[in-house]
Amino acid sequence: DGGITQSPKYLFRKEGQNVTLSCEQNLNHDAMYWYRQDPGQGLRLIYYSQIVNDFQKGDIAEGYSVSREKKESFPLTVTSAQKNPTAFYLCASKSPTGVSQYFGPGTRLLVL
Amino acid sequence: GNSVTQMEGPVTLSEEAFLTINCTYTATGYPSLFWYVQYPGEGLQLLLKATKADDKGSNKGFEATYRKETTSFHLEKGSVQVSDSAVYFCALRDSNYQLIWGAGTKLIIKP
Repeated sequence: DGGITQSPKYLFRKEGQNVTLSCEQNLNHDAMYWYRQDPGQGLRLIYYSQIVNDFQKGDIAEGYSVSREKKESFPLTVTSAQKNPTAFYLCASKSPTGVSQYFGPGTRLLVL
Repeated sequence: GNSVTQMEGPVTLSEEAFLTINCTYTATGYPSLFWYVQYPGEGLQLLLKATKADDKGSNKGFEATYRKETTSFHLEKGSVQVSDSAVYFCALRDSNYQLIWGAGTKLIIKP
């Protein structure tokens, strides 16, 4: 079945550590997105990519980095510069002609 | 700038009650409007959408009508079930094709 997968479901980060969240889609979508969700709040855009090898900063990109080497994959790295990384991270994708975004199941990041 | 405002939750209803979750927006032009649903511990799923004024989106018994005169896209359902308990997000797609999100409304349905 086509869809978006995110792994791991839960991720623990130690102080000063970089961690990478995986996002893979087999929908043949060009655009991919990373959002952060905090309790009781809406989604905030971290980074997005419209095509391979290109990406743009969203509203809260500081402390995060991404790459888009393949159409199917859009990994997000939470760096040690992100001082408050505990949140639920959602990846989404969209086709060029589509109106809506499709979401993965999310990764919950916790700090030890 | 563009923004979406939803009614604050949680909204608590009994099973079979009528549901309304208010959503209003501020935007230039004619944005597309969406309702997404998030079940506990999961990602978001598109519930319904409307792409132009007076369009009515519907799915799983939920409906929302794009009202340009009141800049609203209220979500309604005639008879809710316990399984409808979730967080509901209203969103608009701006002229740059980015989604602008409301804060979400938590819905709790009691048997």
